Amino acid sequence: DVKVTQSSRYLVKRTGEKVFLECVQDMDHENMFWYRQDPGLGLRLIYFSYDVKMKEKGDIPEGYSVSREKKERFSLILESASTNQTSMYLCASSFHGQINQPQHFGDGTRLSIL
Amino acid sequence: KQEVTQIPAALSVPEGENLVLNCSFTDSAIYNLQWFRQDPGKGLTSLLLIQSSQREQTSGRLNASLDKSSGRSTLYIAASQPGDSATYLCAQGGYQKVTFGTGTKLQVIP
Repeated sequence: DVKVTQSSRYLVKRTGEKVFLECVQDMDHENMFWYRQDPGLGLRLIYFSYDVKMKEKGDIPEGYSVSREKKERFSLILESASTNQTSMYLCASSFHGQINQPQHFGDGTRLSIL
Repeated sequence: KQEVTQIPAALSVPEGENLVLNCSFTDSAIYNLQWFRQDPGKGLTSLLLIQSSQREQTSGRLNASLDKSSGRSTLYIAASQPGDSATYLCAQGGYQKVTFGTGTKLQVIP
């Protein structure tokens, strides 16, 4: 069964901490995405990657960075966490040429910044 | 700018009813339209994907339609069941991006 795995379901961190969210997929997908989901705002794209070591900014990249050293793994980094980054974070992946079709999602990480 | 709207935000129906969920989009340069299901505290599960050249897709009790000229898509659920209770999101695929609606939260009452 195909799978996108996010390392933590729930995470609590403090303001100013550096936070790492990890995502691993076992489908050999080229494209990987990070979204955040907030009530009333829907899903918003933070960053995406279409190949190893490649990254592209999404709609709301400020305060975030990403790393893709291996095809199966895409990490989201909050350089200095702030309370407005409290949210549900969702990782997704898709095959090459399907930038507009993220079809497989992980279960999400609910991140609280105190 | 692409915008995707889903109305109503919440819907409650008795078990067995047929129902329609609505999705409106503003960008006519649509590549595809996807419907997802999201259970509480979980990620999204893809239900149906309609390419821009298609008018509808069916899977079991689900049927999704796409009308590009009016900027609308509908998800029809036949003979609803309590297990259908979830939030349903539509997403418009454009050039190198996907825009999501905010979802309709469906409750099917036994």
